[in-house]
Amino acid sequence: DAGVIQSPRHEVTEMGQEVTLRCKPISGHDYLFWYRQTMMRGLELLIYFNNNVPIDDSGMPEDRFSAKMPNASFSTLKIQPSEPRDSAVYFCASTLAGGPHEQFFGPGTRLTVL
Amino acid sequence: QKEVEQNSGPLSVPEGAIASLNCTYSDRVSQSFFWYRQYSGKSPELIMSIYSNGDKEDGRFTAQLNKASQYVSLLIRDSQPSDSATYLCAVLDTGRRALTFGSGTRLQVQP
Repeated sequence: DAGVIQSPRHEVTEMGQEVTLRCKPISGHDYLFWYRQTMMRGLELLIYFNNNVPIDDSGMPEDRFSAKMPNASFSTLKIQPSEPRDSAVYFCASTLAGGPHEQFFGPGTRLTVL
Repeated sequence: QKEVEQNSGPLSVPEGAIASLNCTYSDRVSQSFFWYRQYSGKSPELIMSIYSNGDKEDGRFTAQLNKASQYVSLLIRDSQPSDSATYLCAVLDTGRRALTFGSGTRLQVQP
């Protein structure tokens, strides 16, 4: 079975541009998480969904960040407008509610904002 | 703010030795604990989970949990250079159903 899929793997953009990151969770998983990882702050939870509904977005840094999950197999994280301090690796992870809550991570998107 | 603390390292051990990685957490009601391995430039990979006090063994890996002391550890026996990575401790926030990660311990296994 395929793991969590993320695209693009690398994104380089200029300050002020809109950035959209995409994630496909493992089939059958009903929780989806977006994380950001930087050297300074480590791995931070941004937002998570259960059955496509956002449950906790308290980690979203500011209004420039938004996330959606229109169906069980697709989620997006959007940054508009992007800033250099948004440069980081963004990971998506998924898990199954009825299981031990082991989260499985996608390969990540490395975002560089110039 | 629920916290998970790890020594950042690097922890350097010779090949064949036992590597011991430690983690403490602040939330007394936590019930589920995880160890992830992250190679440079890669995503975190789940290697162990533990839910009960005591030891849990899987191959060369042993996770140890002491809820009274709020302490989790990971032992890697017969360490190999391929074990060189950052090891992340994660604790499940039961109320939020979300993981809180420590900052990770970098392990270096010297050939």
